[in-house]
Amino acid sequence: ETGVTQTPRHLVMGMTNKKSLKCEQHLGHNAMYWYKQSAKKPLELMFVYSLEERVENNSVPSRFSPECPNSSHLFLHLHTLQPEDSALYLCASSQYPGLDTGELFFGEGSRLTVL
Amino acid sequence: DQQVKQNSPSLSVQEGRISILNCDYTNSMFDYFLWYKKYPAEGPTFLISISSIKDKNEDGRFTVFLNKSAKHLSLHIVPSQPGDSAVYFCAARRNSGNTPLVFGKGTRLSVIA
Repeated sequence: ETGVTQTPRHLVMGMTNKKSLKCEQHLGHNAMYWYKQSAKKPLELMFVYSLEERVENNSVPSRFSPECPNSSHLFLHLHTLQPEDSALYLCASSQYPGLDTGELFFGEGSRLTVL
Repeated sequence: DQQVKQNSPSLSVQEGRISILNCDYTNSMFDYFLWYKKYPAEGPTFLISISSIKDKNEDGRFTVFLNKSAKHLSLHIVPSQPGDSAVYFCAARRNSGNTPLVFGKGTRLSVIA
């Protein structure tokens, strides 16, 4: 099993659809993150969960709804998205409080296209 | 307002030569800096880091230099290899307060054989 696994790897959805992205980590970490990578933009932190509690929410629109049922699983529920939400969504995990290195372990990402 | 800036979106280097990727930051509270490498269709992977108490950290072909007064860091890869072709992200954080990493936009490195 790879460290951080994301499904699906690719998703195409209409603006009225409801879909979910899933992330699972097998590293024994206690914090999980959602990042958004858009073309020509920095990696943007969306949400942080530590010990299944949300500790960071960077002004993300409510059409993105995270869920962390346990320390190994993280979901991003998507509803009535806009075409500008098309991006690569990256899940990551770490130990929280952060390791001295601050190292994040990323999944391979879910490429989302909103039509 | 971007706190971590990578002003070169791309860089091409001949195989065997040195690659220098630059990163500037604006937040003087940052005290830990990391470089991540990303291949297409894969997530970023941690490459090397440096604490603000140091000005250099070396790991094999990769060396990171930190100039705190200039709020500048750079990643040197020598000798560059075709397998180093990837997008390199600079990231920074405050080591206290468990603040998340702040990333730059990335620099795409192409190493030409």
